[in-house]
Amino acid sequence: KAGVTQTPRYLIKTRGQQVTLSCSPISGHRSVSWYQQTPGQGLQFLFEYFSETQRNKGNFPGRFSGRQFSNSRSEMNVSTLELGDSALYLCASSLQPGTHYGYTFGSGTRLTVV
Amino acid sequence: DAKTTQPTSMDCAEGRAANLPCNHSTISGNEYVYWYRQIHSQGPQYIIHGLKNNETNEMASLIITEDRKSSTLILPHATLRDTAVYYCIVRATSNFGNEKLTFGTGTRLTIIP
Repeated sequence: KAGVTQTPRYLIKTRGQQVTLSCSPISGHRSVSWYQQTPGQGLQFLFEYFSETQRNKGNFPGRFSGRQFSNSRSEMNVSTLELGDSALYLCASSLQPGTHYGYTFGSGTRLTVV
Repeated sequence: DAKTTQPTSMDCAEGRAANLPCNHSTISGNEYVYWYRQIHSQGPQYIIHGLKNNETNEMASLIITEDRKSSTLILPHATLRDTAVYYCIVRATSNFGNEKLTFGTGTRLTIIP
């Protein structure tokens, strides 16, 4: 079956712009999580959605937001981009929150802010 | 979620067993031990998880000590494709509202030809 699909794969934006990243989970998976990975901070949790509701949120400013659609696809948005937002953004899907079957990650979107 | 401690890096000869240790001395009774790995420029990949019994799947074995304060991930016959950063994570499950994975710095495993 198809894995977690993230688009676009690479993105270059200018400081101050906004960006929207997309994630399509594995068919049947209803939970989608987002993570940011930088060399300095490692992998950090952004937020998780289940049934179109945000279930948990990490310690990121309000410029970072997300949503989930009825088909479980998710988008995350970053407004007023800063140089420090340059990172690999990873999406992970699972059947539902709290499942102990593990999360499946996508290959990520590499965002560069110039 | 409990904190984990892993060595920063390890080397292993190709074809040998790679044993990756993890300390989680503050683990709670309802917390599972998960292992993920991340090959360069890819998303993390789930490997295995366990609660208190030893577990084995097609990728690896997980050995958890009786007191559950530490565990070891074993890759039985390491190949060059196993070169990656390995993350040990402890996490409670079935807790709506606490689903995040807390990644530490992991162990950078290098398989030597």
